[in-house]
Amino acid sequence: DQQVKQNSPSLSVQEGRISILNCDYTNSMFDYFLWYKKYPAEGPTFLISISSIKDKNEDGRFTVFLNKSAKHLSLHIVPSQPGDSAVYFCAASARTRDDKIIFGKGTRLHILP
Amino acid sequence: GAGVSQSPSNKVTEKGKDVELRCDPISGHTALYWYRQSLGQGLEFLIYFQGNSAPDKSGLPSDRFSAERTGGSVSTLTIQRTQQEDSAVYLCASSLDRMNTEAFFGQGTRLTVV
Repeated sequence: DQQVKQNSPSLSVQEGRISILNCDYTNSMFDYFLWYKKYPAEGPTFLISISSIKDKNEDGRFTVFLNKSAKHLSLHIVPSQPGDSAVYFCAASARTRDDKIIFGKGTRLHILP
Repeated sequence: GAGVSQSPSNKVTEKGKDVELRCDPISGHTALYWYRQSLGQGLEFLIYFQGNSAPDKSGLPSDRFSAERTGGSVSTLTIQRTQQEDSAVYLCASSLDRMNTEAFFGQGTRLTVV
């Protein structure tokens, strides 16, 4: 039973345009959501997070939106740059339960020149 | 170093042998996680430590897998009688406290069972 779902295995976006990566979750106990970025042969690196008490968090070119009623979050990258080409993992945890972090399967983002 | 350190970075082992993978978390981080990533798959949760205890071992695939953490620091993941399906990148992460602030990952150990 996959609690965190990233339904798009890959996404291609033109350099300079907006990249939108989507994530759905099923567990209503999740109260903290994270996005990680992973380059080949490296460990994932933390990108941005959002608490369930918010619906938006912005950090430079990266913005995460949370829609609790739809159990959906998205990561927006604008403008997209070549260095953004990587695998992006959505993750969630139930912090009030001191629970583990659950990851989705990832979306490979290709930024086209 | 300041980051999460894993060793070895690569391990090739024969089917049936035991292997030990080591993780040195960031100093002061009380939470430690083990994940694995098989070819083309996402990050599969294995086990989570809070201090030296493991409140959640639900992700360990079989009883051939075990992990321990000593002194609230270093953790070892042991796989006994390795099988080819154990081949994967094993990733360790640590986070500051029990409230699951951002977890920082090591570079992983690539395990190949031949």
